[in-house]
Amino acid sequence: DVKVTQSSRYLVKRTGEKVFLECVQDMDHENMFWYRQDPGLGLRLIYFSYDVKMKEKGDIPEGYSVSREKKERFSLILESASTNQTSMYLCATTTARLGNEQFFGPGTRLTVL
Amino acid sequence: ELKVEQNPLFLSMQEGKNYTIYCNYSTTSDRLYWYRQDPGKSLESLFVLLSNGAVKQEGRLMASLDTKARLSTLHITAAVHDLSATYFCAVDPYNNNDMRFGAGTRLTVKP
Repeated sequence: DVKVTQSSRYLVKRTGEKVFLECVQDMDHENMFWYRQDPGLGLRLIYFSYDVKMKEKGDIPEGYSVSREKKERFSLILESASTNQTSMYLCATTTARLGNEQFFGPGTRLTVL
Repeated sequence: ELKVEQNPLFLSMQEGKNYTIYCNYSTTSDRLYWYRQDPGKSLESLFVLLSNGAVKQEGRLMASLDTKARLSTLHITAAVHDLSATYFCAVDPYNNNDMRFGAGTRLTVKP
């Protein structure tokens, strides 16, 4: 079974803080993704990575950056958290070997006060 | 711009009834995915449809794909309460991992 884990299930931060969300997968998948999910807006892609040190912007990259130093780990960074970044953040992985079916982590519910 | 539209967005049905959720998309894609999300939980993969005419079934759920019509359906047979969840379809039309999701269909099955 693919296992995708995220560093926190719930996180509360203050405006202006730097926030790190980490995603780790154990199945050697080449592709990793960060989404945010908001009521009425569905899932929106923030960034994805198809290889170590490679990244591509998704639909809403503003205010976020990412890091992929190792194949199994993909980090999402909020340089200066703002209240409009309060959301559910979902990490996912895919591999072409499985038709690019996405495997999701449990999610991190981030609240920025 | 690629659009993925699901309907209905909200569905309340009685146990034992049948119903179909529709997923239309605006750009040619030969692969489509269905996911389930329970409240407060993450998304779980249900079906991967990789070609025109693909049909997959798991329990009371059956998914099909018509790439010419740009339409996928998720059919529910004899619904039970455990199927209550939000169902998402998603397409990856350019096969570049830029997955686009529908808004989701929130299904409630009542006894």
